[in-house]
Amino acid sequence: DAGVIQSPRHEVTEMGQEVTLRCKPISGHNSLFWYRQTMMRGLELLIYFNNNVPIDDSGMPEDRFSAKMPNASFSTLKIQPSEPRDSAVYFCASSPSGGGGYTFGSGTRLTVV
Amino acid sequence: SQQGEEDPQALSIQEGENATMNCSYKTSINNLQWYRQNSGRGLVHLILIRSNEREKHSGRLRVTLDTSKKSSSLLITASRAADTASYFCATDARYGNNRLAFGKGNQVVVIP
Repeated sequence: DAGVIQSPRHEVTEMGQEVTLRCKPISGHNSLFWYRQTMMRGLELLIYFNNNVPIDDSGMPEDRFSAKMPNASFSTLKIQPSEPRDSAVYFCASSPSGGGGYTFGSGTRLTVV
Repeated sequence: SQQGEEDPQALSIQEGENATMNCSYKTSINNLQWYRQNSGRGLVHLILIRSNEREKHSGRLRVTLDTSKKSSSLLITASRAADTASYFCATDARYGNNRLAFGKGNQVVVIP
């Protein structure tokens, strides 16, 4: 397995633009997580899916953020409109159901100017 | 906060020395996990210790868990330059149900 695959690796966009981050979890992993990492706040859990269903999106900072998981092999995190304070590294992770270690993707470094 | 909190924040050691990091948490947990993050990369799962376990080993890594003190330690023995990274502990205390909250991380620099 190639691991959790995220794209793009880097994204630079202007304030107000829409940004879409993509994630392909490990096949067979039932849980998918989106995290945001900044120097100030560390790793923050944004949203958690189990069997493609959003279970907890209480970490999504604002309505500008939305996430979908249309099938077991694909998830997106969308920011519309983007703002400079959204600049961060966004990680997707997956894990088997029932607990256990997470497998993280390499992250998307987002810069909003 | 109920998530793990590592101590100390930064550690610089010579190659071959041991490195120890500590993590504390505030409520009951099902398990505690340690991860490593190299610069510019994603986190890599190192080891998971369950609440009914006291110690676990994996290669040069040794993790202890003291649920009475709500703390854990990660020991890296005979450190190598390649161990230079940030190390995070994570627990399911804050969110429950397999959702992990991560501490702020310990930066470890191993000097060749």
